[in-house]
Amino acid sequence: EIVLTQSPGTLSLSPGERATLSCRASQSVSSSYLAWYQQKPGQAPRLLIYGASSRATGIPDRFSGSGSGTDFTLTISRLEPEDFAVYSCQHYGTSPRYTFGQGTKLEIK
Amino acid sequence: QVQLVQSGAEVKKPGSSVKVSCKASGGTFSSYAISWVRQAPGQGLEWMGGIIPIFGTANYAQKFQGRVTITADESTSTAYMELSSLRSEDTAVYYCAIGGYNWNDASTEQMTNWGQGTLVTVSS
Repeated sequence: EIVLTQSPGTLSLSPGERATLSCRASQSVSSSYLAWYQQKPGQAPRLLIYGASSRATGIPDRFSGSGSGTDFTLTISRLEPEDFAVYSCQHYGTSPRYTFGQGTKLEIK
Repeated sequence: QVQLVQSGAEVKKPGSSVKVSCKASGGTFSSYAISWVRQAPGQGLEWMGGIIPIFGTANYAQKFQGRVTITADESTSTAYMELSSLRSEDTAVYYCAIGGYNWNDASTEQMTNWGQGTLVTVSS
């Protein structure tokens, strides 16, 4: 079973800074099957990135995804106040159907 | 744009069962992959299982095998998740979510739409 490990657990940055979040898989996965979600307190997750690098509908271009094999990255180029949230990576595809990382909390410094 | 509306919060006793519903509107219910994901307080997201209504059979995460049942009623575009033998550790927000299904390679796709979540509290 694929295990996704996200780092860091918590990232403290200021608005305007660049954020780099990591997701590492326990075995190589197809980049076609890697997604990122944003979740704010009291809300459901929101899809940001799918296929490792494709932005979902309505997602600003300051969000970008990259990576392949076992190492994937979510980058937020210039943090806006509304970007402070928890970010989770996800593997999807066949068996098991879905796996999530444990999440990275992006907090205001 | 598919919208998912879940049933309301539940308080249950240990050892009992809970059944949460998820009604879809605005899309082709039968061809989506519908998943149930839970989130315990302060914890990450955990996939429990899912169903593709057009196939009718569900598959489950190993952790929940034997304790969770996921069904779908195409006539009402509603999916259900029933969790039995509840314990305090099952206290969580339960979400339904939909994603696509890739017919070419029989794989599921990213979760594009989510319900609002249902809080299930297990307490004696």
